Parts: sequence; C-alpha cells; structure tokens
Amino acid sequence: QVQLVESGGGVVQPGRSLRLSCAASGFIFSNFDMYWVRQGPGKGLEWVAFISYDGSDKSYSDSVKGRFTISRDNSKNTLHLQMNSLRAEDTAIYYCAKEGPVTPGDYFDYWGQGTLVTVSS
Amino acid sequence: SYELTQPPSVSVSPGQTARITCSGDALPNQYVYWYQQKAGQAPVLVIYKDTGRPSGIPDRFSGSSSGTTVTLTISGVQAEDEADYYCQSAGTSGTSYVFGTGTKVTVL
Repeated sequence: QVQLVESGGGVVQPGRSLRLSCAASGFIFSNFDMYWVRQGPGKGLEWVAFISYDGSDKSYSDSVKGRFTISRDNSKNTLHLQMNSLRAEDTAIYYCAKEGPVTPGDYFDYWGQGTLVTVSS
Repeated sequence: SYELTQPPSVSVSPGQTARITCSGDALPNQYVYWYQQKAGQAPVLVIYKDTGRPSGIPDRFSGSSSGTTVTLTISGVQAEDEADYYCQSAGTSGTSYVFGTGTKVTVL
C-alpha cells in the first residue's frame, strides 16, 4: 500500500532554514510527480510546490517562490523541501502528496500525515 | 489570483442529502477534485475529474459539474461524513494548483 511519511518539522526562528523530507513506499516513486501542500493553523489547504517525476520541472506558489526549493532522490524514494528565510506565516502542517494516476493527473491521490513547522522567536 | 469559492458550512441531518458547491470562473475548462478532511487527519480524495470515485469511497459520494459551478453531493449522510471538504483544480497560471476555501459539513 502507498505510504508517505514526512519528517523534519519543528520550531524554528524567523529567517532561519529547515529541510523537510518525505519517504515514499508502495508505488514506483520515479513514475509520479510529487507535491508539497500546507495548512496553516485553523486554515485551508494551500499548494506549495510541484516536482515532475524525473525532477526536471518544478513550480512554486507565489508565497514561497525564491525561498523554498523542492527536490527528489528517485534512488532513495525520497522527496525534500528546503525552506529558507522562514516567516511566521509559513507556520503550518506540511503534507507531501502523490500525483493522481488518471490523466491529466492534476490532483493528489495519496497524502502523508504531515509534519508541523512552527516559525516563532 | 484565481480562486475557488465554497460555502463556509453546510448542516444536514443523518440520512439526508448534503450538497457542497465550488465556484470558479475557469471551471468550465478545468477538472475538479474533492477532498475530505476529518479533524486532525490528512485529506482524503473522494472525487476525481469532476465525477470519478476512487476505490474504497462509498457510492453515496458523487460529483457533478455545470458551467462555473461544480457540486459534491453526499446522499444518505452518515455521522462519519462530518468533516471539512475542499475542492481543487489546476490553476490558471503556469503549473499551479488551487484549493477551494473549504466547507465544514456538520451532521446534526
């Protein structure tokens, strides 16, 4: 069965960095695009970043562009999110999510349980 | 930026039908997906490509589309259906994705 397990969250001061990871299993990781989606406390879902199946294409929401970097290691079935220059408004649960298999694939069919990032001094 | 609008809340009695709408100007040209999120849990996909139902999702969940509005219908609502529901589509600018504002379904 598909499993996505995030790690790396924690409490960090504004302006500092944090790197999230997502370990994937139960599917052919290198065949699917992957995503990060976040949810602020008491708020809705917000798409953060996209990476294509082979890592050649990436995209970011305007709110994180230039500060966050998504990457993947297909040899280790792992997805990463490098978060720099963190702000209080980046406080959220961060979910990794897998591309849905039905064309056009612009959706998320499996989600991890999330990792909490708190940006506070 | 592109937005998808949902009603903040819907209340329904057990056994009745709940309808949750999602409106967006680009929806006539986009597929919509629906997610259920119970308190303290990760979202779960319940409808894909407007009307498709993933395996394991009860058939009381259905989707429909008409112009700029799509609808998630839960027929014969059960207590376990109490959750937040989000619609989602591809964005209108490059490779991007947008979620609706979310609807809290309360089972009375």
